[in-house]
Amino acid sequence: SQQGEEDPQALSIQEGENATMNCSYKTSINNLQWYRQNSGRGLVHLILIRSNEREKHSGRLRVTLDTSKKSSSLLITASRAADTASYFCATDAKQAGTALIFGKGTTLSVSS
Amino acid sequence: SAVISQKPSRDICQRGTSLTIQCQVDSQVTMMFWYRQQPGQSLTLIATANQGSEATYESGFVIDKFPISRPNLTFSTLTVSNMSPEDSSIYLCSVGLGSDNSPLHFGNGTRLTVT
Repeated sequence: SQQGEEDPQALSIQEGENATMNCSYKTSINNLQWYRQNSGRGLVHLILIRSNEREKHSGRLRVTLDTSKKSSSLLITASRAADTASYFCATDAKQAGTALIFGKGTTLSVSS
Repeated sequence: SAVISQKPSRDICQRGTSLTIQCQVDSQVTMMFWYRQQPGQSLTLIATANQGSEATYESGFVIDKFPISRPNLTFSTLTVSNMSPEDSSIYLCSVGLGSDNSPLHFGNGTRLTVT
């Protein structure tokens, strides 16, 4: 079953603009992760935020986590055409082990 | 990080046949998983491949349909048996390198089309 629900499902922006994607989940988590998938490829890990963290940065990425609302957001600043991809949040719904449950994803299209 | 090689990268198969997908990792890993991604959808966990024992399947997936082997810490196979068009998906092998909850690394997937 899917744990995370992203919105929007699709997002189209111009280069240089910021892109914000949101993720909601249902059960308690140890951490939440964001992944990117370019068309026809495997997934690439972007960033991991632990349940005791509220915000994390990595380059042009900023992730927030609100465990009281069971939600997270991914902000990509100053977007580039190369950021065009699908973005998924993933949570570890199980108590132990590293199998992740993925959300439905947001498809981001950045035009130049 | 780890280099994960999946074979084949894509295949077109006839209904009723079976396809075995191979996943080779360039280092020993404890946790190995198989996911399915149906067209335009997210990833669904099929099973955890356990070295030396039977795989642990998620709800909705059974061993007869998706037999998995894990003979050692660097290799696993997933077989899609008695295929139907509904099995057309991308199948992804992934590994966890570190302690619990570490990021997963993915192969490029196998794009399967069943006609």
